[in-house]
Order: sequence, then C-alpha cells, then structure tokens
Amino acid sequence: DTEVTQTPKHLVMGMTNKKSLKCEQHMGHRAMYWYKQKAKKPPELMFVYSYEKLSINESVPSRFSPECPNSSLLNLHLHALQPEDSALYLCASSQGQGAHQPQHFGDGTRLSIL
Amino acid sequence: QKEVEQDPGPLSVPEGAIVSLNCTYSNSAFQYFMWYRQYSRKGPELLMYTYSSGNKEDGRFTAQVDKSSKYISLFIRDSQPSDSATYLCAMTRSNTGNQFYFGTGTSLTVIP
Repeated sequence: DTEVTQTPKHLVMGMTNKKSLKCEQHMGHRAMYWYKQKAKKPPELMFVYSYEKLSINESVPSRFSPECPNSSLLNLHLHALQPEDSALYLCASSQGQGAHQPQHFGDGTRLSIL
Repeated sequence: QKEVEQDPGPLSVPEGAIVSLNCTYSNSAFQYFMWYRQYSRKGPELLMYTYSSGNKEDGRFTAQVDKSSKYISLFIRDSQPSDSATYLCAMTRSNTGNQFYFGTGTSLTVIP
C-alpha cells in the first residue's frame, strides 16, 4: 500500500457531470502534484502545489480545477470533461518542491468519460 | 529530440537473469535521477534515487549514472516474476524546482 491515498479508485462520468478526485498524504510533505497518465505513456504533470499554494499549472484546460484545502489534502474538481480526458489520474507528494526531493505516488483514479 | 529517451521494450527474460534497463538524456543540467516501478493498474513506486554520477545499490537493484555519457542504468540481479512491471526513469534539473522529466517506460516480463 502506498502512503499517498487516492479516492475513488475508479470513476465513470458523463460529459455534463461534476465530480471530484481526492488525494491524502500524512507524511508531512509540503508539495503535492496532479499527473495525468494515458496507457503505455509516462505521467504528464498537470499541477503543483507548494505549501498549499498553486505554483505550477501546466496549461491545463479550465475543466480541471485543483484545490488544496490543507497540507495533507489535494482535490481535483472535474466539470464538462471530454472523452479524451479518460486516463489514470495520479497524485504525488514530496517533502518540498526542491529538485532533490523524490516524489511518492498514489495508485491513481482511473477515470472514464462516457 | 526528447529530453529523456528510454527503449519501451517489451523486454522478456527468464527468471534469475540479470536485467539492464537504460535511459539517455540530452540536457547536461540534469542532476537528480530516479527509477520508478509501475505495476499494472498501480501508481509508480520509487525504487532508486541518485544524485550526480556514480553507483547506488539496494538489494538486487543497482542504479548507475554516467553524466559524461548522459546515460543512466538500472540493473536487476536474480530477476523474479514479481519484477514484471514497467520501469520508468525520471530526472530533474536543480533550477526547475521539482519538475520531473520521465522516460517513456520499459515493460519487463520475467518468465518463471
């Protein structure tokens, strides 16, 4: 089991639905990340939060909206998604945002858009 | 040219074999190098983390970094069926915060 917990594990939603993905870590890490991973591809960075502030947004469409309510929690709010948004969404955390900090990943939420 | 190149495989070896997985990169500014293992339907799991050039050993796993050749390797000794997974290399530059540059991953199957 990983120390980064993501819920739900699977999510099927229609293009008009609104849903949220949740991520939690209790390692005292102060940087948290959202990645999108398509089949047989490496993870692609979406957002980075450092000390609960958004520090990197990799030009992600506004239908994805991140939120960091506190240092242990990270949410990703989804609205009006497209079929091409179907993917594995991974959350990761690291002690800080320095380059020497390895990232620890959760097992992801597998999202399917109908 | 991609910043990080990794042969996607698939790579198939018999149990007990020594496995060599490799990545090359183009940017000499990369300083921190990681190997992740990803099982099907799971998230990447950190296996090895090294800084700059040199070797690091952890059990059956050895990570090697050759900065002069811009080449990193992961060796798995006495490979087991449980090692069957996709192996991703990742690296970062010190001046870009913690933005990871991933290889495409190598799919490994260890045959009993």
